[in-house]
Amino acid sequence: QKEVEQNSGPLSVPEGAIASLNCTYSDRVSQSFFWYRQYSGKSPELIMSIYSNGDKEDGRFTAQLNKASQYVSLLIRDSQPSDSATYLCAVSLFSGGYNKLIFGAGTRLAVHP
Amino acid sequence: DADVTQTPRNRITKTGKRIMLECSQTKGHDRMYWYRQDPGLGLRLIYYSFDVKDINKGEISDGYSVSRQAQAKFSLSLESAIPNQTALYFCATSPTKGTNEQFFGPGTRLTVL
Repeated sequence: QKEVEQNSGPLSVPEGAIASLNCTYSDRVSQSFFWYRQYSGKSPELIMSIYSNGDKEDGRFTAQLNKASQYVSLLIRDSQPSDSATYLCAVSLFSGGYNKLIFGAGTRLAVHP
Repeated sequence: DADVTQTPRNRITKTGKRIMLECSQTKGHDRMYWYRQDPGLGLRLIYYSFDVKDINKGEISDGYSVSRQAQAKFSLSLESAIPNQTALYFCATSPTKGTNEQFFGPGTRLTVL
């Protein structure tokens, strides 16, 4: 089992809709969770971080965390074509004496007009 | 703006050549990382450094070496490049204290023929 799993997609949504991106992780003691956006050929850009159960909202983005289910999600409201990108879920895992980030392979989102 | 820069941005080389990729940052972060990204495999950690005197192997360090010349500079070397090292390489930084958020440079696209 991979430590961080995401559906590779593509997830296709119409403009204006809500895009829901999901991520599961295997380490129950993980404490920090991040969502990165990566446009094709570009570097990952941190867009959301979440550390406690529940929802965290930032503009059109909402991150949701459920540690009991080992599940973190990202909702994008009023999706725009400019949101089309690959979204990487990252989970902090204590291993080898330090907190390292484990990345999922990413979900490709396509927002069509 | 505080930033992470990488040089070169693109490089084509031949099997057996020695290659150095350089990373500089003005964020004032102590921790620096080198990742490679391959399609479908996500980001994989090659080496990480918590300060100038601390360098550690990541999950895929074979065939690579690093040098931390200063707090702001972390370089990655391929001693004898091989075709399966063709990938996108990213440098990242994070602050010593905090939540392990990592910030990425623009990446280097390396092709080994």
